[in-house]
Amino acid sequence: DADVTQTPRNRITKTGKRIMLECSQTKGHDRMYWYRQDPGLGLRLIYYSFDVKDINKGEISDGYSVSRQAQAKFSLSLESAIPNQTALYFCATSDPVRPYNEQFFGPGTRLTVL
Amino acid sequence: QQQVKQSPQSLIVQKGGISIINCAYENTAFDYFPWYQQFPGKGPALLIAIRPDVSEKKEGRFTISFNKSAKQFSLHIMDSQPGDSATYFCAASKETSGSRLTFGEGTQLTVNP
Repeated sequence: DADVTQTPRNRITKTGKRIMLECSQTKGHDRMYWYRQDPGLGLRLIYYSFDVKDINKGEISDGYSVSRQAQAKFSLSLESAIPNQTALYFCATSDPVRPYNEQFFGPGTRLTVL
Repeated sequence: QQQVKQSPQSLIVQKGGISIINCAYENTAFDYFPWYQQFPGKGPALLIAIRPDVSEKKEGRFTISFNKSAKQFSLHIMDSQPGDSATYFCAASKETSGSRLTFGEGTQLTVNP
């Protein structure tokens, strides 16, 4: 089945460390997104990319950077992790021909910054 | 600021009851109003969605009610089942935003047997 995968699924790191979260998809979608989920705050968009040469900031991009290595791969980096970046991170993809701007989410990465 | 506000934050319903989750939005330019369902350990998945030119959409036990003048929409789950226990997110999107979604805060629904 075409899918969205994220690695690692869980990560514990220390303040100040650089960390990369990876997303791969076999759906053939051009559009990819990174969100973070926090209790009581819902899902907030960090960065998004509509094709390999297109990168856009979302509503909470400070402290994060991304790389779109190929159509199928979109990585999120925390250059110097801090405790308030502890959250559940989701990658998603979409195809503009689908109705309702439907997005397909990966299983998430739980990140803890000590 | 939260452009889509969702309530309640948590909801407990007995099996067979009706679950109701409400959302309000600010931006009248939104074109689509989807609901996403998230089970523990999984990513959210589209459940049902509506456009603002209709007031109601029903798919099985799930219904969206939409009130354009009040800028509100709600999800009704009829005959709620324990398998419906999940977190539900409302969202809003603009056709011109290129698939960007603005999510509400989420509602954790528990359906007791």
